[in-house]
Amino acid sequence: EVQLLESGGGLVQPGGSLRLSCTASGFTFSNYAMTWVRQAAGKGLEWVSAISDRGDSTYHADSVEGRFTISRDNSRNTLYLQMNSLRADDTGRYYCAKGSDRVVTAPINHWGQGTLVTVSS
Amino acid sequence: EIVLTQSPGTLSLSPGERATLSCRASQSVSSGFLAWYQQKPGQAPRLLIYGTISRATGIPDRFSGSGSGTEFTLSISRLEPEDFAVYYCQQFVSSITFGQGTRLEIK
Repeated sequence: EVQLLESGGGLVQPGGSLRLSCTASGFTFSNYAMTWVRQAAGKGLEWVSAISDRGDSTYHADSVEGRFTISRDNSRNTLYLQMNSLRADDTGRYYCAKGSDRVVTAPINHWGQGTLVTVSS
Repeated sequence: EIVLTQSPGTLSLSPGERATLSCRASQSVSSGFLAWYQQKPGQAPRLLIYGTISRATGIPDRFSGSGSGTEFTLSISRLEPEDFAVYYCQQFVSSITFGQGTRLEIK
């Protein structure tokens, strides 16, 4: 059974940093692209970042470009999202999601339960 | 960036009725790069349809997808109580974007 367990969320002040982690199990992690998707309370889904199976290709939404960095450690079956210069509009639930292929241009077929990030003074 | 516009914003129907949800893209989307997701309150989204027309594993055949170019549709033939949720379309041909969602509520 595919499991994705996010951690690292919490309350941070504007301008601060946070690193999210996602530990994967139940599948060969190194064979699949991975994605972060966020959702503000009561709002829709927003794609944040994606990374290919080997980590050699990364992509970020314009809204987080230059502030967030996605990475992965295939030896640890773990996906990361380093978030710097956080703003109030970064607040929301952050979902770790597994792609259905090695490349990011494929649908997401499994989602974690998410971790909550709150940016507030 | 390809913008996806879903309509209607809210759809009120009764169990047993047919639901038709629309997703319009600001630029042409290759059919292999369009997916639909369902999200229920307090839950993570779930993949329903990929490649415009293919049902994901375990998805009942009352769900179907269609469309091409800039116009895509998710249809639910006979609504069950568990189908009332929010539905999102997604494209991944040029970057990755989601539509704003359609809320399907019980009438």
